[in-house]
Amino acid sequence: EDQVTQSPEALRLQEGESSSLNCSYTVSGLRGLFWYRQDPGKGPEFLFTLYSAGEEKEKERLKATLTKKESFLHITAPKPEDSATYLCAVQAGGSQGNLIFGKGTKLSVKP
Amino acid sequence: DGGITQSPKYLFRKEGQNVTLSCEQNLNHDAMYWYRQDPGQGLRLIYYSQIVNDFQKGDIAEGYSVSREKKESFPLTVTSAQKNPTAFYLCASSYRGNTEAFFGQGTRLTVV
Repeated sequence: EDQVTQSPEALRLQEGESSSLNCSYTVSGLRGLFWYRQDPGKGPEFLFTLYSAGEEKEKERLKATLTKKESFLHITAPKPEDSATYLCAVQAGGSQGNLIFGKGTKLSVKP
Repeated sequence: DGGITQSPKYLFRKEGQNVTLSCEQNLNHDAMYWYRQDPGQGLRLIYYSQIVNDFQKGDIAEGYSVSREKKESFPLTVTSAQKNPTAFYLCASSYRGNTEAFFGQGTRLTVV
């Protein structure tokens, strides 16, 4: 069964304290792995797509990496405005575009 | 501005009523999706459509119905057969089935 597990469920950081969020997946033929940011009461905002092991993408303080079993979202020197829930999703081979989501990691960054 | 518009933002349903959630996109995307989000759970797929006049059931389609008469529109009806409809509903679209999906701002449905 295709599955996505995110850890930790919640993460509290001080402003400037770098850390990483984990997304482990089991899927039959990965077509793509996606990272989203979701603010309370809002729809998810697309961040990154990763397609193959070894691939990396960066955007401001965020960097996403991918291996054959997991992905990491590294947050460097976070700011309070980075506080949100970060969602990981995978697209399996043979799917018609639908995504399998993890439960998310809720990040809080304190000033 | 291109994007996905969901309406209404908040919706209240009485027991036994059907309600319809609207989703419109002007991104010229072929594929559209409906997800349900409950506290502490990941997003779960309700229905999806790759082309006009065609759609497929997702993992939790029971008690829901959709139509895709226009490329831009993919409304979701929550029927009285859905026993636990209170949730946050998210509509998404993508250019093709294997590209990133973009989401609307959601509709929060509450049963009263």
